[in-house]
Amino acid sequence: NAGVMQNPRHLVRRRGQEARLRCSPMKGHSHVYWYRQLPEEGLKFMVYLQKENIIDESGMPKERFSAEFPKEGPSILRIQQVVRGDSAAYFCASSPPSKGETQYFGPGTRLLVL
Amino acid sequence: GESVGLHLPTLSVQEGDNSIINCAYSNSASDYFIWYKQESGKGPQFIIDIRSNMDKRQGQRVTVLLNKTVKHLSLQIAATQPGDSAVYFCADRLTGFQKLVFGTGTRLLVSP
Repeated sequence: NAGVMQNPRHLVRRRGQEARLRCSPMKGHSHVYWYRQLPEEGLKFMVYLQKENIIDESGMPKERFSAEFPKEGPSILRIQQVVRGDSAAYFCASSPPSKGETQYFGPGTRLLVL
Repeated sequence: GESVGLHLPTLSVQEGDNSIINCAYSNSASDYFIWYKQESGKGPQFIIDIRSNMDKRQGQRVTVLLNKTVKHLSLQIAATQPGDSAVYFCADRLTGFQKLVFGTGTRLLVSP
């Protein structure tokens, strides 16, 4: 059973460009979560999605950031007009349909904004 | 509540020693707690979890203790090995919510 998959693993963008980060949950998991991690810090929650629904986006910046989890295909975290402060590791986690289940993390995407 | 990261606290132990990593959480409404291990350049790896109706849970070489009175969580690793070297994060989840709130993390260094 493959784990959570994320791609790309590393992404370099110039200021003002768009970044698209993809996450495929574990097989059988329908809940997806995105977290951001700065160096030497813990992960900070961004958004929680189920198929075609955003359930909790309380950690998402109000501008430039969006997330989706379509009926088919991976979840996408999109950052428009990136700035240097967006440089971080972005982790996706997934959990099964039942509430309260453990979240399993992917390997992350390391975004560097030049 | 969330912790703001400064320099990671570090715990240095010898191979074969037992390690204890501590964590404080801030919200008394949290009902689920979890420990993750993160190696350099990798994603967090699940170690063990515990629900608020328990105060102790054991896994293979690991034990988690929960003290709800003082909002304290600890991870005990028996017979620590060099492969245990990593940053360890605790996280908690508020009742009724799915998002995890992570602590600052502790770096465990195991020397042979």
